[in-house]
Amino acid sequence: GAGVSQSPSNKVTEKGKDVELRCDPISGHTALYWYRQSLGQGLEFLIYFQGNSAPDKSGLPSDRFSAERTGGSVSTLTIQRTQQEDSAVYLCASSNRQGSYEQYFGPGTRLTVT
Amino acid sequence: AQSVAQPEDQVNVAEGNPLTVKCTYSVSGNPYLFWYVQYPNRGLQFLLKYITGDNLVKGSYGFEAEFNKSQTSFHLKKPSALVSDSALYFCAVRDIDTNAGKSTFGDGTTLTVKP
Repeated sequence: GAGVSQSPSNKVTEKGKDVELRCDPISGHTALYWYRQSLGQGLEFLIYFQGNSAPDKSGLPSDRFSAERTGGSVSTLTIQRTQQEDSAVYLCASSNRQGSYEQYFGPGTRLTVT
Repeated sequence: AQSVAQPEDQVNVAEGNPLTVKCTYSVSGNPYLFWYVQYPNRGLQFLLKYITGDNLVKGSYGFEAEFNKSQTSFHLKKPSALVSDSALYFCAVRDIDTNAGKSTFGDGTTLTVKP
């Protein structure tokens, strides 16, 4: 596609439920990143993929969070047993390893845990 | 290790005046430097980057930034601010020598341009 897409755009879930967030990067981009942003604040790095492997998972807040990437393309971020503090906008970005690495961001998924 | 600091949470300028949003960085090797902008209720957009060459780089919407190696800074500038420039601005750095797989982002600076 022309840009990074994310789905759903909005997700409201009850505390304790599991959620899956999807990211479809720009075609050909080998690197994919997940971030979390609360109320227009700074970016909190979650995880980074190069191809299908995740060299850096250092930002995942707890073992309730996991992510995978298949076929070097689509990525899914899963949050198990959601808590109210998980409410935020989850942003995905992709970049081209061959080049100067600027990141292109998707529109985000706004997650609200009630 | 790599890090970036945006010392001002908020910058206020009057329309038509020049603006500066500050950024300093720390890397072990040589940096790639980036500015991103987030307009209200919109996604993050890449604005400009420094890779190599001329220390003054020009980007979208009339913005420019100057790479200063001795001061480890990469301040964002615009000669004449517009109300529509009001947004959240993020500086980011990537250490190319350590082949770090990710960029590190600053905490962001909210720019408000008043008519």
